[in-house]
Amino acid sequence: DTEVTQTPKHLVMGMTNKKSLKCEQHMGHRAMYWYKQKAKKPPELMFVYSYEKLSINESVPSRFSPECPNSSLLNLHLHALQPEDSALYLCASSQEAWGTPYGYTFGSGTRLTVV
Amino acid sequence: AQSVTQLGSHVSVSEGALVLLRCNYSSSVPPYLFWYVQYPNQGLQLLLKYTSAATLVKGINGFEAEFKKSETSFHLTKPSAHMSDAAEYFCAVTRLSGGYNKLIFGAGTRLAVHP
Repeated sequence: DTEVTQTPKHLVMGMTNKKSLKCEQHMGHRAMYWYKQKAKKPPELMFVYSYEKLSINESVPSRFSPECPNSSLLNLHLHALQPEDSALYLCASSQEAWGTPYGYTFGSGTRLTVV
Repeated sequence: AQSVTQLGSHVSVSEGALVLLRCNYSSSVPPYLFWYVQYPNQGLQLLLKYTSAATLVKGINGFEAEFKKSETSFHLTKPSAHMSDAAEYFCAVTRLSGGYNKLIFGAGTRLAVHP
């Protein structure tokens, strides 16, 4: 299995809702990442997990709450989002979180719309 | 700090023509460099990567890139464009920050292929 699987593919939520994005990989990668991509922009790093521990938080607002229950699974919990949070949320994984020459494997993303 | 600059936000070529997408990096040490492709409403797919093993790197779908230290460049080329190559292309570099690896993207180049 060489894929990163993200669910759901599309999500529409109200500003008072609570929802979660899910990401799963079975490649034995020990680092997992959340990226946010606005339309016509490059992806921007949000969080880095290494060995199931949060290693980097790129000053992301607390309405985004990541969770890594095990080495294969990464969640992003969403609460009280704003319309400007609408974007494509990409999950990625890599063998290690430091000095890796191998690049990242990306999922196909969750298209989030906040109404 | 490592970063990449992509010259030209839009490139348009005829089917069968040479594709050249430009990427320049700034780094104080030899970097790890990557090219990713993103098709509409999709995640990112790794095209190729430079990890200092060879300066000419061959990737998937007939793409290749040459690392030129003297020019701090890593341009992406394909001899003959196909309609299916129309997509957004991102050059990326890994940046070590706090002991952890971050994948930092250029602004992207949208490639259009016309008949």
